[in-house]
Amino acid sequence: GQSLEQPSEVTAVEGAIVQINCTYQTSGFYGLSWYQQHDGGAPTFLSYNALDGLEETGRFSSFLSRSDSYGYLLLQELQMKDSASYFCAAPGAYGQNFVFGPGTRLSVLP
Amino acid sequence: ETGVTQTPRHLVMGMTNKKSLKCEQHLGHNAMYWYKQSAKKPLELMFVYSLEERVENNSVPSRFSPECPNSSHLFLHLHTLQPEDSALYLCASSQGLISNEKLFFGSGTQLSVL
Repeated sequence: GQSLEQPSEVTAVEGAIVQINCTYQTSGFYGLSWYQQHDGGAPTFLSYNALDGLEETGRFSSFLSRSDSYGYLLLQELQMKDSASYFCAAPGAYGQNFVFGPGTRLSVLP
Repeated sequence: ETGVTQTPRHLVMGMTNKKSLKCEQHLGHNAMYWYKQSAKKPLELMFVYSLEERVENNSVPSRFSPECPNSSHLFLHLHTLQPEDSALYLCASSQGLISNEKLFFGSGTQLSVL
């Protein structure tokens, strides 16, 4: 089976940097994805890490350490519109059936 | 707009009703998924279809019945649901089933079972 853990809530101010952690236990690991979901909206893909290290996409970066079964999403220069829930996800057996973490609700304050 | 459309957006039904949720993807993808999202819980994978064949069924109660008539359409037929089935039901699609595939989600159907 698989399980992923994330903090339930994070609060930060505009312009700040915030890191959302994800630890996982999986029976076979293929990589770690991150999704963003605004209230009432659809989850949208942010990033995917298959190998150790940092992947950067604009203000968002994602990091993976396979040896530590750990990853994080780093959001820089926070904006009010970044207030949303963020989910880490790992593909399951045979690379399919993604399993999602419980989500971290990020609140960005002015 | 993600290219995945779900209808209806909201649905209220009694426990004895039969209803269906519809999902359509305009992305040319080969895999489609149903997820359940309840408050305070992770997204739960319900069903996976690849090229119209079901490849995953995560011990979902038989009162949920999926149907995939073609690679662009996915249905979830509901009957004799329970109040605990109230949740947001999300459809998603991906190009294939390999591990680095992005999932494209619809906006979901918010279901309330009375």
